[in-house]
Amino acid sequence: DAGVIQSPRHEVTEMGQEVTLRCKPISGHNSLFWYRQTMMRGLELLIYFNNNVPIDDSGMPEDRFSAKMPNASFSTLKIQPSEPRDSAVYFCASTLQRGNTIYFGEGSWLTVV
Amino acid sequence: EDQVTQSPEALRLQEGESSSLNCSYTVSGLRGLFWYRQDPGKGPEFLFTLYSAGEEKEKERLKATLTKKESFLHITAPKPEDSATYLCAVTPQSGGGADGLTFGKGTHLIIQP
Repeated sequence: DAGVIQSPRHEVTEMGQEVTLRCKPISGHNSLFWYRQTMMRGLELLIYFNNNVPIDDSGMPEDRFSAKMPNASFSTLKIQPSEPRDSAVYFCASTLQRGNTIYFGEGSWLTVV
Repeated sequence: EDQVTQSPEALRLQEGESSSLNCSYTVSGLRGLFWYRQDPGKGPEFLFTLYSAGEEKEKERLKATLTKKESFLHITAPKPEDSATYLCAVTPQSGGGADGLTFGKGTHLIIQP
């Protein structure tokens, strides 16, 4: 079975550029999460969707961050404009239903220079 | 606010030397406590879910236990391939807020041959 698929795996971009990270959740899962991982703060929940609807975006750090889920099999996390402090690993995760095990993708490693 | 504290931050053991990792949590009603393993450059990989105090789960050399305030991950006779960062996370009972997991910062475990 395919797990959560993220792209790109690695991205290096210049400050001020737009960054778009992509995620395909596990087929049949109806909740999707975006997390950010840094050495200082560990794993932080940015936003989560249930049935393609954003439920809680209180973890999104600034208006520069936005996320969409146009259908059950695709989500994007966009940073515009990007800043060096956005450098981190961004994980997408999905689950079948609330309270169940959450499965993670391999992450997108973002470096903003 | 839900909080998860893991200790120690790092642990170095000799192969075969058993030990335990600690996860202390504060949550407004626990729905579930999760243990994940994360290898360098990878996403967190699910290990266990515990739902109620007194519950135990085992998988190979790992055993997870749960009390009302903390969880332990016991590692018996570890092997070098058990080297990884072990993450603990909780999800609250009540709805309305994020259904995503709140993570601790992890314990970085190294097993020396």
